[in-house]
Amino acid sequence: AQSVTQPDIHITVSEGASLELRCNYSYGATPYLFWYVQSPGQGLQLLLKYFSGDTLVQGIKGFEAEFKRSQSSFNLRKPSVHWSDAAEYFCAVGAGDSSYKLIFGSGTRLLVRP
Amino acid sequence: DGGITQSPKYLFRKEGQNVTLSCEQNLNHDAMYWYRQDPGQGLRLIYYSQIVNDFQKGDIAEGYSVSREKKESFPLTVTSAQKNPTAFYLCASGTYANSPLHFGNGTRLTVT
Repeated sequence: AQSVTQPDIHITVSEGASLELRCNYSYGATPYLFWYVQSPGQGLQLLLKYFSGDTLVQGIKGFEAEFKRSQSSFNLRKPSVHWSDAAEYFCAVGAGDSSYKLIFGSGTRLLVRP
Repeated sequence: DGGITQSPKYLFRKEGQNVTLSCEQNLNHDAMYWYRQDPGQGLRLIYYSQIVNDFQKGDIAEGYSVSREKKESFPLTVTSAQKNPTAFYLCASGTYANSPLHFGNGTRLTVT
């Protein structure tokens, strides 16, 4: 069965520092991968997605993610974090070629030090 | 603007009462979803519907029921059989298999 692991529950970075949030997935074929961001008390907003092709994907708000099949990873990166990036981040994988289900990781909460 | 509307934002109920959460979308999406969110557990799928008049159980369907009579609407009923109903509930919609989901802003249900 497909699964997603986000090993870091909390991450704290200083404003202006670089960021990398880890995501590992378990899936037999080429996965459909997503990163979402959630502000407190709000819904989730799509940051970026990977379906196929170029393994480095650009998203909104200056985020990017790199798909590494050999490591079953899809880590999210940002070169310089802003205080407004403080939120919870979720990695998700499409459950299969004909499936409408997305499977979400447990999330990583990002705290930004001034 | 197109989007997903969940209402109400906060809902309080007494134990033993059924309660229905509303979800409406004007994105013309075929698929709709209900997720439950608890601290530290990410999102867990309750029910989803790929088309009108059809829906499937997700991973934690016990104690919940849904209907899909219209493309735009996918209400969720939390029944008295749900043992721990207090949670944040998120509705979402999508266009095709493995498509990105669009989310509403959620309903926080508190049962005492």
